[in-house]
Amino acid sequence: GIQVEQSPPDLILQEGANSTLRCNFSDSVNNLQWFHQNPWGQLINLFYIPSGTKQNGRLSATTVATERYSLLYISSSQTTDSGVYFCAPPRDGGSQGNLIFGKGTKLSVKP
Amino acid sequence: DGGITQSPKYLFRKEGQNVTLSCEQNLNHDAMYWYRQDPGQGLRLIYYSQIVNDFQKGDIAEGYSVSREKKESFPLTVTSAQKNPTAFYLCASSTLGAGSNQPQHFGDGTRLSIL
Repeated sequence: GIQVEQSPPDLILQEGANSTLRCNFSDSVNNLQWFHQNPWGQLINLFYIPSGTKQNGRLSATTVATERYSLLYISSSQTTDSGVYFCAPPRDGGSQGNLIFGKGTKLSVKP
Repeated sequence: DGGITQSPKYLFRKEGQNVTLSCEQNLNHDAMYWYRQDPGQGLRLIYYSQIVNDFQKGDIAEGYSVSREKKESFPLTVTSAQKNPTAFYLCASSTLGAGSNQPQHFGDGTRLSIL
């Protein structure tokens, strides 16, 4: 099945800095989801991105399906951005709902 | 407000005991999912259901059981056969797209521990 690798595994930033998180996947997919898990365990869907780029405030995501990677950009980071970021492509390419989750990037934003 | 409600937030299981985790959604979503998360790890799929009275095993279904008698509800039972049940359990739901998966939305989770 599809393999998912996220990098870096850990990231420490000073408040106000920018960052890029990467997600590589081993097979073709027709969409990918990015999630943020806050320190209390709540998981929020940030992006559902079939291809190209989507933006939501200070966050944006780009998926290049032909090269099998996706990037999550965080600009002007805030302490509330801390937590774990997961990418999750569909396990079968996209025809059904099941996702495969990477191990995540743990982000700590210091004041 | 529409959303996914999981209960309880914390649950303790004794040896040899079955426990049931509740998941209810009022988003009118067809599909529901159960995931397990261990410390420092990603989520792994336990069971999923795309329609009432039907469900399929995920990657780690052994020691778990589910039912889908109503569209809104997808309870998960952790049986005594699950030897390492201590974990964070997350329920999710989504609509079903034609030929394409849809965004998944999650409840707040249940933390299960062994006494």
